Amino acid sequence: QSVLTQPPSVSGAPGQRVTISCTGSSSNIGAGYEVHWYQQLPGTAPKLLIYGNNNRPSGVLDRFSGSKSGTSASLAITGLQAEDEADYYCQSYDSSLSGWVFGGGTKLTVL
Amino acid sequence: QLQLQQSGPGLVTPSQTLSLTCAISGDSVSRNTAAWNWIRQSPSSGLEWLGRTYYRSRWYTDYAVSVKSRIRINPDTSKNQFSLHLNSVTPEDTAVYYCARALYDWFDPWGQGTLVTVSS
Repeated sequence: QSVLTQPPSVSGAPGQRVTISCTGSSSNIGAGYEVHWYQQLPGTAPKLLIYGNNNRPSGVLDRFSGSKSGTSASLAITGLQAEDEADYYCQSYDSSLSGWVFGGGTKLTVL
Repeated sequence: QLQLQQSGPGLVTPSQTLSLTCAISGDSVSRNTAAWNWIRQSPSSGLEWLGRTYYRSRWYTDYAVSVKSRIRINPDTSKNQFSLHLNSVTPEDTAVYYCARALYDWFDPWGQGTLVTVSS
């Protein structure tokens, strides 16, 4: 139902690397609009994690990285830690809707 | 440091108007490089951008197509805040509502969120 498609869940063991995909279309990611990522811990507001496809705001660890190619983008998390358990959302702009759109969210579980 | 503090009722009767306010500290609602947004989150619809207001020599607003006929976002320069008004609400408007600043194409920071339940 969301304009951007994410897997509902991913998991990994502590220390491992996981990736979360975000698939769009020719009216959003494929049109060249940037992708941004948010982390939402339980009971809190989303927090900016990656902006402009692959840039980290001050204070975000370099274990988090983003990439974009074609109509898709990915968030990679290396050296998984228990505190990384959260919901992750991608976001972009959609020209056909003339507005900002989000992915459905991916729940990361650290095993 | 920018902080956004939301206020407003947590319960709204169906067909009435949902009204929330976002008070800004550490920035100005009239800043001509910022946009002030409302976003909501529900289990059924996920995160949904609702609209924004911004000042570029004059005030502008943009609204999501899904709520365009029912929404109004107003700046209040005297109180350095902005508000959301969503009329003719139904239970499908039940959600956590967030305000957020955008300097470019992303939202940062977000307000603390307000759970609004539409019920009689």
